[in-house]
Amino acid sequence: AQKVTQAQTEISVVEKEDVTLDCVYETRDTTYYLFWYKQPPSGELVFLIRRNSFDEQNEISGRYSWNFQKSTSSFNFTITASQVVDSAVYFCALDAGNMLTFGGGTRLMVKP
Amino acid sequence: NAGVMQNPRHLVRRRGQEARLRCSPMKGHSHVYWYRQLPEEGLKFMVYLQKENIIDESGMPKERFSAEFPKEGPSILRIQQVVRGDSAAYFCASSPTRGLTETQYFGPGTRLLVL
Repeated sequence: AQKVTQAQTEISVVEKEDVTLDCVYETRDTTYYLFWYKQPPSGELVFLIRRNSFDEQNEISGRYSWNFQKSTSSFNFTITASQVVDSAVYFCALDAGNMLTFGGGTRLMVKP
Repeated sequence: NAGVMQNPRHLVRRRGQEARLRCSPMKGHSHVYWYRQLPEEGLKFMVYLQKENIIDESGMPKERFSAEFPKEGPSILRIQQVVRGDSAAYFCASSPTRGLTETQYFGPGTRLLVL
């Protein structure tokens, strides 16, 4: 069985602060994919990144960066110099078969 | 290229009525997935369909819920005799094929409110 845990249910930061969202996963599969999605207040799900289990290289996209560590089963997401528009719920997810298994989400509030 | 379309975006039903949620996948996508998001929770998988076939319905409640993806037309998630606990956001996702290399792209969701 797959499981994704996002221990931080809510984080509040002031604009321009850096913030890291934690994600820990469990799976017995050796091949799998990890994802991050953003859900802004409007409610849709926005795909951010997909990473396969064989690629532990960190990735940077603008102010976003992801740290995948297989040894600790973690796939953490850092936003540098946060902005008010980053306020949303962020979901980490695992794909090891027919379905995505989501974590409970982390609500990020960025205050001006 | 239009994304995944879902309608209606908001649906209000009284207890005991039926709810029909529609999902049109992205062009060229023949695999559809339904997820449910209860208030303040993450998304939970319900069912995975290909055209005219249900592949995996392990997340679907055994009673009152059904899903189809006909040869022509959108995928339909049907909830019969709705109860207040069915109030949730229902998301549909699609992919062109099925494999771990494929990303599921999500629609905007249907918010169901049962009074």
